[in-house]
Amino acid sequence: DGGITQSPKYLFRKEGQNVTLSCEQNLNHDAMYWYRQDPGQGLRLIYYSQIVNDFQKGDIAEGYSVSREKKESFPLTVTSAQKNPTAFYLCASSSQGFKNQPQHFGDGTRLSIL
Amino acid sequence: GNSVTQMEGPVTLSEEAFLTINCTYTATGYPSLFWYVQYPGEGLQLLLKATKADDKGSNKGFEATYRKETTSFHLEKGSVQVSDSAVYFCALILPQGGSEKLVFGKGMKLTVNP
Repeated sequence: DGGITQSPKYLFRKEGQNVTLSCEQNLNHDAMYWYRQDPGQGLRLIYYSQIVNDFQKGDIAEGYSVSREKKESFPLTVTSAQKNPTAFYLCASSSQGFKNQPQHFGDGTRLSIL
Repeated sequence: GNSVTQMEGPVTLSEEAFLTINCTYTATGYPSLFWYVQYPGEGLQLLLKATKADDKGSNKGFEATYRKETTSFHLEKGSVQVSDSAVYFCALILPQGGSEKLVFGKGMKLTVNP
């Protein structure tokens, strides 16, 4: 079955440490996205990529970095510059970018600070 | 700016009760509208969508009608089940400066008791 796989499901970070969240899709979608979900705030866009080797900042990109070396993979690194990283992170993908195409979501990674 | 406003929860209903979740939007163009559902511990799933005025989206007993005159996309279900317990997000896609972005409401948590 096609879908989006995020790993790990739970992740713990120490202060000052960078961590990388994995997102893989086998839907052959061109576009991929990372969202952050906080209680009572809905989803906020961190980064998105509409094609391999290209990506754009979303609304809250500070303290995060991404790469898009392969069509099926879009890892997110939460750097030590992100002062409040505790959140639920969701990866999504869609065909044809945003253009009226509903996005498919992974099951998320919950990041906590030790 | 462009935004989505949902009624705030959480909401608790008894099984077989009628459900309405209000959603209104502000947009400078003609957006496509979506309802997503998030079950506990999972990512988001597309529930239904509507791409133009007066369209009605429907799925799993849920319905929503795109009302351009009231800029609304309220979600309804005539008889909820315990399995409908989830967080519901209203969302829209509209063009912003040449790149389209999916804008989410804050979500509303629904609990259905037997």
